[in-house]
Amino acid sequence: DAGVTQSPTHLIKTRGQQVTLRCSPKSGHDTVSWYQQALGQGPQFIFQYYEEEERQRGNFPDRFSGHQFPNYSSELNVNALLLGDSALYLCASSLAREGYSPLHFGNGTRLTVT
Amino acid sequence: AQRVTQPEKLLSVFKGAPVELKCNYSYSGSPELFWYVQYSRQRLQLLLRHISRESIKGFTADLNKGETSFHLKKPFAQEEDSAMYYCALSPYSGGSNYKLTFGKGTLLTVNP
Repeated sequence: DAGVTQSPTHLIKTRGQQVTLRCSPKSGHDTVSWYQQALGQGPQFIFQYYEEEERQRGNFPDRFSGHQFPNYSSELNVNALLLGDSALYLCASSLAREGYSPLHFGNGTRLTVT
Repeated sequence: AQRVTQPEKLLSVFKGAPVELKCNYSYSGSPELFWYVQYSRQRLQLLLRHISRESIKGFTADLNKGETSFHLKKPFAQEEDSAMYYCALSPYSGGSNYKLTFGKGTLLTVNP
């Protein structure tokens, strides 16, 4: 079991461009959450997807959007990139069910906006 | 809005010494509290959650609602405990990963 996989590992973009980050959840998981981690900060919740719908959203502008596919994989899209969007983007998967399912994190995608 | 504060950015102890990583939170409801850990070159992973009341790798954490704290403790630190520790809060209790709010983390170093 490869666990949560994210691609690409690193990405450099120019201000104003658009970017798409990808995440494959751990086998058997059906819920994907995205977090942004700026340097020296803890992860900050962006949104969570379940059954191909956005279920919860944090305090991020509409420039941040996502998608979940029938195979539970997910994409994070960021439009009109700003320098402040430079961060590590973490994907975490879990299983929606009665009872607790801990978050399993990927290694992240390091996005640099120049 | 919820907030999680970890007052110590760095904490250094010697092997065998007790360790306490502090976490204070701000939330008006009944949150669920977690500790996540990231060892060197590994992924962020759950260490423990207050509801389970477990001791994981010798670590325990008690939720003190009066002081709004969730400090992580271990009586005898080991070198392999060296890692970054994050305290996190979910505004929904009873087994949920919704909208976790993380603190900024504490880097624990256990010296030989």
